[in-house]
Amino acid sequence: AQSVTQPDIHITVSEGASLELRCNYSYGATPYLFWYVQSPGQGLQLLLKYFSGDTLVQGIKGFEAEFKRSQSSFNLRKPSVHWSDAAEYFCAVGAPGGGFKTIFGAGTRLFVKA
Amino acid sequence: NAGVTQTPKFRILKIGQSMTLQCAQDMNHNYMYWYRQDPGMGLKLIYYSVGAGITDKGEVPNGYNVSRSTTEDFPLRLELAAPSQTSVYFCAVGYADTQYFGPGTRLTVL
Repeated sequence: AQSVTQPDIHITVSEGASLELRCNYSYGATPYLFWYVQSPGQGLQLLLKYFSGDTLVQGIKGFEAEFKRSQSSFNLRKPSVHWSDAAEYFCAVGAPGGGFKTIFGAGTRLFVKA
Repeated sequence: NAGVTQTPKFRILKIGQSMTLQCAQDMNHNYMYWYRQDPGMGLKLIYYSVGAGITDKGEVPNGYNVSRSTTEDFPLRLELAAPSQTSVYFCAVGYADTQYFGPGTRLTVL
């Protein structure tokens, strides 16, 4: 069965510092992978996605993620964090077929300190 | 172009009451989903629909029902509300490459 693990419940970084959020997945085939961001009281917004091809994918708001099949990982990175990046981040794996069910990780809450 | 809308935004129910959470989209998309998000957890799929008249269960369907009579609307019904159904409910539209989420309905069952 598919599963997604985000090992860090919360992370605090200083504004301007780099960021890496970890995500590990379990899936029997080549996965469809996603990162979503959720600001307080809001719905989820797609940051980036990986289906195939180049394993380094670029997303919105300056985020990128790298797919590493050997490590079953899809870590999210940003070179320089802004205070507005404080939010909750969800990694997800999608299973095609049927209704394309998406399995979400538990999320990592990012705090940004001045 | 409103995208995905959900009503109500907030609701408090008493145990045993029933209610319907509304979800509407103007994106003309066949695929629609209902998720619930519990504190400190990711989203769990309740039900989904691949088109008008076609629905199927997700991970956590117990205690819920859905219908899909039109492409635009995908209501979620709680028949006998229980405290375990206290959660934030999100409707989403889309397939594979992108799902668009509504703003959510925060439901409390007391």
